[in-house]
Amino acid sequence: AQSVTQLGSHVSVSEGALVLLRCNYSSSVPPYLFWYVQYPNQGLQLLLKYTTGATLVKGINGFEAEFKKSETSFHLTKPSAHMSDAAEYFCAVTRNTGGFKTIFGAGTRLFVKA
Amino acid sequence: EAGVTQFPSHSVIEKGQTVTLRCDPISGHDNLYWYRRVMGKEIKFLLHFVKESKQDESGMPNNRFLAERTGGTYSTLKVQPAELEDSGVYFCASSQPIGKREVAGELFFGEGSRLTVL
Repeated sequence: AQSVTQLGSHVSVSEGALVLLRCNYSSSVPPYLFWYVQYPNQGLQLLLKYTTGATLVKGINGFEAEFKKSETSFHLTKPSAHMSDAAEYFCAVTRNTGGFKTIFGAGTRLFVKA
Repeated sequence: EAGVTQFPSHSVIEKGQTVTLRCDPISGHDNLYWYRRVMGKEIKFLLHFVKESKQDESGMPNNRFLAERTGGTYSTLKVQPAELEDSGVYFCASSQPIGKREVAGELFFGEGSRLTVL
């Protein structure tokens, strides 16, 4: 069975500081990994994804994540936080079981202080 | 191109009443998913349609929930009768047909339908 664990339901950083949102997954087969972001009063939108190939993937708005198979992790980072990054972030795992089924973590709400 | 649209955006009903949520996926997306998020918890999978067929409905909580996708276009999710624990945000998502590896598994979400059962 798949599962996704996001460490920290809330993360607070100062503007300009490093953003690190942690995600660990369990999957019996190589997964596809995603980070989605939800801004207030909006639906989730894709931030970045890992399917195959390079393990460091870059997404929108300066975010990136690294797939580490040995650690079963897919942590999300951004070198310098901006006020507009305040949102809720969801890590997700997908695998093809005859149809793609995506499992989400509980989400991490990012607060950015001026 | 229109995104995934959901209606209503917010519904407040009393316990025992019926509510029907609607989702219009992106045109051409064969895959349609329903998810639910209860406050503060994970986004939980409910079911998956491929065109008009239910591919996986393992996440449906009980038989008070009925999902349909007639003609393989829009989908409805009916809750009848609603209970207090059904409150939450119901998300619909769609994705490309299976086999398009480039976008394998990427979901396009609607803004959600917030259901409050009093």
